[in-house]
Formats: sequence, C-alpha cells, structure tokens
Amino acid sequence: AQTVTQSQPEMSVQEAETVTLSCTYDTSESDYYLFWYKQPPSRQMILVIRQEAYKQQNATENRFSVNFQKAAKSFSLKISDSQLGDAAMYFCAIAPRTYKYIFGTGTRLKVLA
Amino acid sequence: GAVVSQHPSWVICKSGTSVKIECRSLDFQATTMFWYRQFPKQSLMLMATSNEGSKATYEQGVEKDKFLINHASLTLSTLTVTSAHPEDSSFYICSARPLIAYEQYFGPGTRLTVT
Repeated sequence: AQTVTQSQPEMSVQEAETVTLSCTYDTSESDYYLFWYKQPPSRQMILVIRQEAYKQQNATENRFSVNFQKAAKSFSLKISDSQLGDAAMYFCAIAPRTYKYIFGTGTRLKVLA
Repeated sequence: GAVVSQHPSWVICKSGTSVKIECRSLDFQATTMFWYRQFPKQSLMLMATSNEGSKATYEQGVEKDKFLINHASLTLSTLTVTSAHPEDSSFYICSARPLIAYEQYFGPGTRLTVT
C-alpha cells in the first residue's frame, strides 16, 4: 500500500517570505512521480511542480522548488517570495506505475499581508 | 495547453433523478481519465479510473451501478449519478492523463446538490 502524509494541516507565511510545506510518503515502487498541486478557493486543481523519482536533481519552477530526499521518502515544497495569490490548499501526490494518484490530506497555506 | 473542461459546473437535482457530468480534454488526447469526489475541507477521493473504449475500474466501496462512467473517446468521459440521493451531494472532479505522461490535468469540478 502507498501512503502520503502531510503533517501540517495549516501554515502561515508573511508576504515576500519563504515557507516550506512538508510531505512524506511510503511506496515499494522504484519508479514513480511526485507532484504538488495547488487548490485555490475556486477549487481548480493546479499543477505546481513535478519530480521524477529517478532524478536526483530537485525540480524548480520559478518561485517553487522541492527538496526531494528519496531515501527518507520526503518531498517538501519551498515557496519563495510568497505572494497573496499563493494562498490555497496544497496537496502532495505520488503516482506509481498505475498512474493513479495517492493524495495527502493537504496543507492550507495562508499568506499574511 | 493541457486544458480539461467539465460541464456543468454546478447542478441541482431532485432525489431519485439521474444527472450526467461531462469531462473533456480540450487540447490533448487522454488515454486515461479519473473521477474524484471531494468533501468540504478534505482531500480528493478517487472514485474510478476509465480508459477509452474499456470498462471503468472502480475503487473499493464505490458503487459502480450508481456511478456510471463512460469513456467513449480519447477526449470525453462522462459520469452519471443514477437515482441520486442527498448523500450524493458533493464536489466531483475529473482529471485526464495525456498519452505519454504521468501527470494528470484537472477539470474545474462540478458541485452536485441533491434535494
């Protein structure tokens, strides 16, 4: 069985500062992908960043980057220069070869002006 | 690119009636489409996986006779909630996976209210 754990139900960050959202997972697969999705109040799921498990280099997308520790099964998301528009629910997900996502429970991010 | 539409965005129906939700990938072909249900302040719960031209695979605990899924083409999947009851009221989200990709692209969701 595969599991994804997001231990922070809610986080707050001051505008322009940096915040890190944690995610740990468990899988017996050797080949899989990891994702972070953002769900704003509109409830549209938006892909933030993806990481291929066989790649050691951490993925980055503009202000978003991940710290992928495969041995520790950890996949945290760092948001730099936080903006008000970053406020949302953030879901971590793993996709093994079946392509079915296993989602974490989500972290609500509040951005303080 | 990679846009998924969902229609309707919200629907109200009476108990005992059926309602159909459409999910379309607008600018890519989707080998696989997924249907999720999301309760307020909770994560997404996978209901079923559908591949074009074959029967959907339902997750444990999901009634396949109640939630009928049809994946008629590489760009269209439909979810029909049959004989809807108030407990079926929820937010339903579809997603589509392109042919050579691991990531899923999500539709904007459909809010179903059964009265």
